[in-house]
Amino acid sequence: DAGVIQSPRHEVTEMGQEVTLRCKPISGHNSLFWYRQTMMRGLELLIYFNNNVPIDDSGMPEDRFSAKMPNASFSTLKIQPSEPRDSAVYFCASSLIASFNEQFFGPGTRLTVL
Amino acid sequence: GENVEQHPSTLSVQEGDSAVIKCTYSDSASNYFPWYKQELGKRPQLIIDIRSNVGEKKDQRIAVTLNKTAKHFSLHITETQPEDSAVYFCAAMEYGNKLVFGAGTILRVKS
Repeated sequence: DAGVIQSPRHEVTEMGQEVTLRCKPISGHNSLFWYRQTMMRGLELLIYFNNNVPIDDSGMPEDRFSAKMPNASFSTLKIQPSEPRDSAVYFCASSLIASFNEQFFGPGTRLTVL
Repeated sequence: GENVEQHPSTLSVQEGDSAVIKCTYSDSASNYFPWYKQELGKRPQLIIDIRSNVGEKKDQRIAVTLNKTAKHFSLHITETQPEDSAVYFCAAMEYGNKLVFGAGTILRVKS
């Protein structure tokens, strides 16, 4: 099993540019989560999907952030326009729906906005 | 919504000693409490979890205890080894399958 796949692994961009992060969940998993990790705010949930449907996006910081899951094997997180304060590690995780199921994290995308 | 507090923020122990990390949660409806370990530059990985109908769970050198009345749960690592050095996160499942994480504890095991 390849695990959760994220791309790119590192992204350096300039303020104002559009950034798209990509995630492929573990095959068979039907829940997908996007997290952001910073020293100041820790590990925070941005949005999650069940069966490709967004369930809770209350963690999305502002309208500059958007996420989609067009099918069971792909999701994107887009930031437009990007700002220096968006610099962080973004993790995608997947699991089976229902409580008590382990969330498996991807390797993360380290985003730096100059 | 759920709020999870974690203490201490940093913990240094001598190799072979025990380490204890404590978390409290606010929502009495939370029913699942996992612990994740994150090594430097790596992804968080589950090390142990406990459900609300269980008071204690053990897996080799790692154990977790849960006090539902007091709304707190703890991670216990015995006979610590240098490879236990990492950041540890507790979490509580608020509803559905949404996890709320604590701020993390940096554990340093000195050899």
